[in-house]
Amino acid sequence: DVKVTQSSRYLVKRTGEKVFLECVQDMDHENMFWYRQDPGLGLRLIYFSYDVKMKEKGDIPEGYSVSREKKERFSLILESASTNQTSMYLCASSSQDQPQHFGDGTRLSIL
Amino acid sequence: AQKVTQAQTEISVVEKEDVTLDCVYETRDTTYYLFWYKQPPSGELVFLIRRNSFDEQNEISGRYSWNFQKSTSSFNFTITASQVVDSAVYFCALMREGGSEKLVFGKGTKLTVNP
Repeated sequence: DVKVTQSSRYLVKRTGEKVFLECVQDMDHENMFWYRQDPGLGLRLIYFSYDVKMKEKGDIPEGYSVSREKKERFSLILESASTNQTSMYLCASSSQDQPQHFGDGTRLSIL
Repeated sequence: AQKVTQAQTEISVVEKEDVTLDCVYETRDTTYYLFWYKQPPSGELVFLIRRNSFDEQNEISGRYSWNFQKSTSSFNFTITASQVVDSAVYFCALMREGGSEKLVFGKGTKLTVNP
């Protein structure tokens, strides 16, 4: 079975902090994705990557950056966290034309 | 542009009732994939089904069935004899074949099955 592991289920940080969300997949997938999920808005794509060191902006990249130094790991970075970034963050991975497999999610609160 | 609409925000049924979740999509592509995912209260998204745009056969998996109709751009999901464990948010999604494998999600339908 595909396993997508997000480093934390719950995280509390303060405004202005630099926040790292880590995601690791064990299926050698080329593609990896970061979404945020908010009530009434569904899932929105922040960034995705289709190869090591490659990244593409999704629908809402402002305030975020990503890093993919190794194929299995995709990190989401909040450079200076703000309260409007309080949300559920979901990581996913996939290979070509195949379904995306999701991690358990990280509930991030910015105080 | 691609778009997925799940018009039903919330549905509440009593156990053993049948329930259908609607999904309507928009795309200019001739080849694409459609998906359904389930998100139980624990939070993780669970993949349920993938459908290729060339395959309009309906699919049944246990109590779950899917009706794909290209003529109406719909990919509806029916749960027969619903159970409390079916309570979740269900997402329909669309993906262009090839390319970047980006998924376009609907906003989800929250299903509550009451005992």
